Amino acid sequence: QVQLVESGGDLVKPGGSLRLSCAASGFIFRDYYMSWIRQAPGKGLEWVSYITKSGSVIYYADSVKGRFTISRDNAKTSLFLQMNSLRAEDTAVYYCARSAGDFWSGYFDSWGQGTLVTVSS
Amino acid sequence: QSVLTQPPSVSGAPGQRVTISCTGSRSNIGAGYDGYDVHWYQQLPGTAPKLLIYGNNNRPSGVPDRFSGSKSGTSASLAITGLQAEDEADYYCQSYDSRLSGWVFGAGTKLTVL
Repeated sequence: QVQLVESGGDLVKPGGSLRLSCAASGFIFRDYYMSWIRQAPGKGLEWVSYITKSGSVIYYADSVKGRFTISRDNAKTSLFLQMNSLRAEDTAVYYCARSAGDFWSGYFDSWGQGTLVTVSS
Repeated sequence: QSVLTQPPSVSGAPGQRVTISCTGSRSNIGAGYDGYDVHWYQQLPGTAPKLLIYGNNNRPSGVPDRFSGSKSGTSASLAITGLQAEDEADYYCQSYDSRLSGWVFGAGTKLTVL
């Protein structure tokens, strides 16, 4: 079955950097678009970033544009999120999610268990 | 503030039917001719979200037919019939927004089974 396992979450100071990883298994990774979605403590879901199958097209939410970089390694069936210039408002559980459907009708059909990023001095 | 508006909470007794609304605009649910699809997720306490409804009214394999979705104009709804205690969770709607050029979620609705 589909498995997505995130790692890399940690406590980091404002202005710091962190790299999240998501190990995928149970499906043909290179055939799927992938996304990162986050959830601040006690809050709702926020889409963060999206990457196409080859990694050639990438989208970001305005809140992270210029600070976060999504990437993937299809040979290692892994998804990454490099987070720089972290702010307190980036504190959240970060989920790796498999994207399905056409671009405009896209949805997230499998989710990892999440990894917690805390930005605090 | 979410571009998709959901009620903060709904409640119902076991066996009853509840609906959760998701109101958007012409840049998301009501965009263009058919609008963008609406999808729904269920998040049980302490767990990751799970896809509940996709493409407005389609259920993934394994989701009971007690759950159904609909869409009309700039709004969508999730209906749950035959409420069960295990349905107590947070529910989120999601769509694409052309003005924001990205995918958006509602703020979530907490369902309490009385």
